[in-house]
Amino acid sequence: DQQVKQNSPSLSVQEGRISILNCDYTNSMFDYFLWYKKYPAEGPTFLISISSIKDKNEDGRFTVFLNKSAKHLSLHIVPSQPGDSAVYFCAATDTGKLIFGQGTTLQVKP
Amino acid sequence: DAGVIQSPRHEVTEMGQEVTLRCKPISGHNSLFWYRQTMMRGLELLIYFNNNVPIDDSGMPEDRFSAKMPNASFSTLKIQPSEPRDSAVYFCASSLSARIRGNVLTFGAGSRLTVL
Repeated sequence: DQQVKQNSPSLSVQEGRISILNCDYTNSMFDYFLWYKKYPAEGPTFLISISSIKDKNEDGRFTVFLNKSAKHLSLHIVPSQPGDSAVYFCAATDTGKLIFGQGTTLQVKP
Repeated sequence: DAGVIQSPRHEVTEMGQEVTLRCKPISGHNSLFWYRQTMMRGLELLIYFNNNVPIDDSGMPEDRFSAKMPNASFSTLKIQPSEPRDSAVYFCASSLSARIRGNVLTFGAGSRLTVL
């Protein structure tokens, strides 16, 4: 009954290229979505978010896209940098409690 | 601000022993969350509190797990008795309020539990 799913456990890209991380959800009541980044031995840190009334939100190299009809969101990182190598979690909420996906490990190769 | 403080950072114990994990949220934050990270399920929400009151404990796996928040600056997650399948990283997080739309959580560094 995983309400938020990240089907790709890992992703590897070259430095300077685009990284695209995907996330699917099942609960149509979710109205706010967030991405967190996690380095080893640290807690997750907030990266970017999007409200369900929008379909795109951009912050520097990071852009989140939301497709409500498909119940799908994605995080684009352009250009990717080695320091972006981390685990990325997507999360969704409708009540204030965040439901997270399983995470995707991104490796950016120099 | 020191952020969310968790202790211990690492705990190794034997099956059957009691484990207590501790959390100090950010001052002024009214909501506190306990999550567990596993490879299979990612970050699972165990329980969360608003103004020290437990709101949703549906994620607590069994009666062996209990959580308390006696005041606004301290929370504990207790496992008694512990089992090897409880081995995971446990995160505490706090936020201004779970009632705010777009509630952003700040996480602690986690407590890595190993039950032998």
